[in-house]
Amino acid sequence: AQSVAQPEDQVNVAEGNPLTVKCTYSVSGNPYLFWYVQYPNRGLQFLLKYITGDNLVKGSYGFEAEFNKSQTSFHLKKPSALVSDSALYFCAVRDGLHQAGTALIFGKGTTLSVSS
Amino acid sequence: DAGITQSPRHKVTETGTPVTLRCHQTENHRYMYWYRQDPGHGLRLIHYSYGVKDTDKGEVSDGYSVSRSKTEDFLLTLESATSSQTSVYFCAISELGTEAFFGQGTRLTVV
Repeated sequence: AQSVAQPEDQVNVAEGNPLTVKCTYSVSGNPYLFWYVQYPNRGLQFLLKYITGDNLVKGSYGFEAEFNKSQTSFHLKKPSALVSDSALYFCAVRDGLHQAGTALIFGKGTTLSVSS
Repeated sequence: DAGITQSPRHKVTETGTPVTLRCHQTENHRYMYWYRQDPGHGLRLIHYSYGVKDTDKGEVSDGYSVSRSKTEDFLLTLESATSSQTSVYFCAISELGTEAFFGQGTRLTVV
């Protein structure tokens, strides 16, 4: 069965510092991995995805994520945090082996708080 | 936002009444999903559709049914609403192998 774990409920970082939001996954086939961001009272916005290829994926708003197959991780990173990055972040996975007709499975989310 | 419209955006209903939420897309995507979002649980899949009249259950499907008679519309029905179904409901769409795009959500309160 597919699963996603986001081990931190909340991450606090000062503006200008690098940030990392952690995600680990479990799938039976090749993983399709995604990061989404949710601002208050809004839907989820797509940030970036890993399907295949380069392990370092670049996405919207200066975010990037590193796929690590041996550690089954897909951590979200940004070199310099902004106060406006404060939001709820979700990691999601789809099992590439069974992806036809299957949905994304989400982690429980991590609240990122960036202080000025 | 992708062409996804959820209606209504807010609803308050009484326990035991039927409720239908609608998701309408203008992107002609094959796959449509209904999720619910609750604090501490993230997003959990209720039902999804992989084509007209083709649907399947998700993780938390008890108490919910869905229908998809047209590519663009995916309906979620609570046959008899309960307080445990108070939640924020999100519709999403995707194509095979692509990211999903989400609607703005429907906040449902069952009193």
